[in-house]
Amino acid sequence: DGGITQSPKYLFRKEGQNVTLSCEQNLNHDAMYWYRQDPGQGLRLIYYSQIVNDFQKGDIAEGYSVSREKKESFPLTVTSAQKNPTAFYLCASKASASSYNEQFFGPGTRLTVL
Amino acid sequence: DAKTTQPPSMDCAEGRAANLPCNHSTISGNEYVYWYRQIHSQGPQYIIHGLKNNETNEMASLIITEDRKSSTLILPHATLRDTAVYYCIARNSGNTPLVFGKGTRLSVIA
Repeated sequence: DGGITQSPKYLFRKEGQNVTLSCEQNLNHDAMYWYRQDPGQGLRLIYYSQIVNDFQKGDIAEGYSVSREKKESFPLTVTSAQKNPTAFYLCASKASASSYNEQFFGPGTRLTVL
Repeated sequence: DAKTTQPPSMDCAEGRAANLPCNHSTISGNEYVYWYRQIHSQGPQYIIHGLKNNETNEMASLIITEDRKSSTLILPHATLRDTAVYYCIARNSGNTPLVFGKGTRLSVIA
């Protein structure tokens, strides 16, 4: 089955701890994206990567970090510098950064910081 | 990317057509219109996209006005499973990540 997987579905962490969210795709897509969603709001872009070993900040990158060492993986680290980390995090991918094809989304990880 | 405006919520009776409007009056000639939907607590799902011609697929139809300043997504026979938030997005370059607004919350009522 081809697709995007995010794990875990629910994640709890104590305040002040860094946490890494997993995103894996087996669609052979070049471009990958991380979004954050707060209750009743639309999605906001955190980081995106158009190709391996390259990534750009989105609109709300502060307090987050990413890496793109492999084509199929784009992990997101929520650092202790992120003031309000509790949110629903969505990963997406697209065949190539420049195409007008659709973005495919994973099922999301709901992070709660206690 | 052009700003889009959508009503915050709509209701539709089950089995009837759901017509979701989107205003994109500042859209430029090379901007595509995309529609996604998000069922509660899931990732968004692609529905359809178009440039200037009307488009239809197995999920929906997209009607874009001749001046391209607005569009309508049509779900021909809405079911309870179509209850979701629907996002209309204008994008001018394949390189640009999608920018999501608050969308329209569609409630399909039995």
